[in-house]
Amino acid sequence: TQLLEQSPQFLSIQEGENLTVYCNSSSVFSSLQWYRQEPGEGPVLLVTVVTGGEVKKLKRLTFQFGDARKDSSLHITAAQPGDTGLYLCAEGGNTGNQFYFGTGTSLTVIP
Amino acid sequence: DVKVTQSSRYLVKRTGEKVFLECVQDMDHENMFWYRQDPGLGLRLIYFSYDVKMKEKGDIPEGYSVSREKKERFSLILESASTNQTSMYLCASRTTGLGEKLFFGSGTQLSVL
Repeated sequence: TQLLEQSPQFLSIQEGENLTVYCNSSSVFSSLQWYRQEPGEGPVLLVTVVTGGEVKKLKRLTFQFGDARKDSSLHITAAQPGDTGLYLCAEGGNTGNQFYFGTGTSLTVIP
Repeated sequence: DVKVTQSSRYLVKRTGEKVFLECVQDMDHENMFWYRQDPGLGLRLIYFSYDVKMKEKGDIPEGYSVSREKKERFSLILESASTNQTSMYLCASRTTGLGEKLFFGSGTQLSVL
C-alpha cells in the first residue's frame, strides 16, 4: 500500500492570505493528482502532474511536482472563502487499477 | 455532464442489518470503486471492479461484498452491519488511458447504531 502523507492536517486562514499544503511519499509517484472535496460532496479532480519538476497553474492555484517525484505541493494565492474544503492528493498509475489517497488537508478560509 | 449517482445521502441502520449501497454512473466506464472516508484516515479502498462481474479486493474488504451485474451499476453490500462501519462511503468511476481521472458520487453517510 502506498503511503501518502499530507501536511498540515488542518489550516484556517483569513481571506486574502497565501498558503501551501504538501503531499509526501517514501516511494516515487508515477503520477500525482490533487482533488478538492467540498462539504457534502465527493472529491473533484483539480490537476494531474506527471513529470518531475512540473509546475501547473489553475487560476490562483499552483501545483508543483518534486524533481524526484516523491513530493508535491499546492500553493493558493489570495485565498477566497470558496477555496474552503478538503484537499486530497492521490497516486495512481503503476499500482494497477488502484488510486491511493493521502489523509487530506482541511482548509478553512475565513471571510 | 458526467455523473456518478449514489442512491442515498444519509442512511441509519441497526447492528446486524444487511445494507445495500447503490452507485450508478452514466459514462460507460469500465472501472468502478468503493471507498470509505474517515476523519484522519483519508480515503481507503474497499473494493473495485474493472468489468461486469469482475471484482478485486482493496485494502479493507473485510465485512463487505460487492456486485457488478451491469456496467453502469456497482453495489456495496454490508452483510451484517457493525458500528465500526459507520462512515462516509464514496463511489467512483474512472476514465482510462491518457489523463485518467476519478469521478466521485456525493457520498453516503452511513450510521450504524
